Amino acid sequence: TQLLEQSPQFLSIQEGENLTVYCNSSSVFSSLQWYRQEPGEGPVLLVTVVTGGEVKKLKRLTFQFGDARKDSSLHITAAQPGDTGLYLCAGAGRDDKIIFGKGTRLHILP
Amino acid sequence: NAGVMQNPRHLVRRRGQEARLRCSPMKGHSHVYWYRQLPEEGLKFMVYLQKENIIDESGMPKERFSAEFPKEGPSILRIQQVVRGDSAAYFCASSNSRAHSYNEQFFGPGTRLTVL
Repeated sequence: TQLLEQSPQFLSIQEGENLTVYCNSSSVFSSLQWYRQEPGEGPVLLVTVVTGGEVKKLKRLTFQFGDARKDSSLHITAAQPGDTGLYLCAGAGRDDKIIFGKGTRLHILP
Repeated sequence: NAGVMQNPRHLVRRRGQEARLRCSPMKGHSHVYWYRQLPEEGLKFMVYLQKENIIDESGMPKERFSAEFPKEGPSILRIQQVVRGDSAAYFCASSNSRAHSYNEQFFGPGTRLTVL
């Protein structure tokens, strides 16, 4: 069974600080996606990474896909209260079925 | 440009009743996915449908749960004889082709089912 482990599970930091959250697996994924979910809403796709070693930037967010395509990280620079939410990683596995991690719940304190 | 729509947003049922959750995909999308999310959990795949066909129901319990996506109208996730353990948020997503490495699936706002 392919699993995605996200860490940390919870993170609370002050506005302006930097942070990194992780998505790890022992399995290879053909792609990984990062979503943000706000309370009472569905997940919204932030980025898809496909190539091992790929780095994608979305304003203050930097996403990296591991060389072996087993892990990914999300780095946020100068966090803002608007970044608060549940960050989910999801991988396309062997049969292209999408598997989700349990998420990192991020809270940015003003 | 309407996104994926789900209704109701909140549904309360007593044990033993039936729950019907509806999902209207984005315009032009013929692929629909249902997921369940428990508190502090990620989304768990339940079923994947195309118009009038169930493609993959490997994540859906074999008893009490069923799904359909008729030629006309929304996709329906039906839960018969609900139990407290069915309480969760149910999300629908749609895509214009099979969601895989390169395709994006768009999520609806979810239906929060509470079983009393």
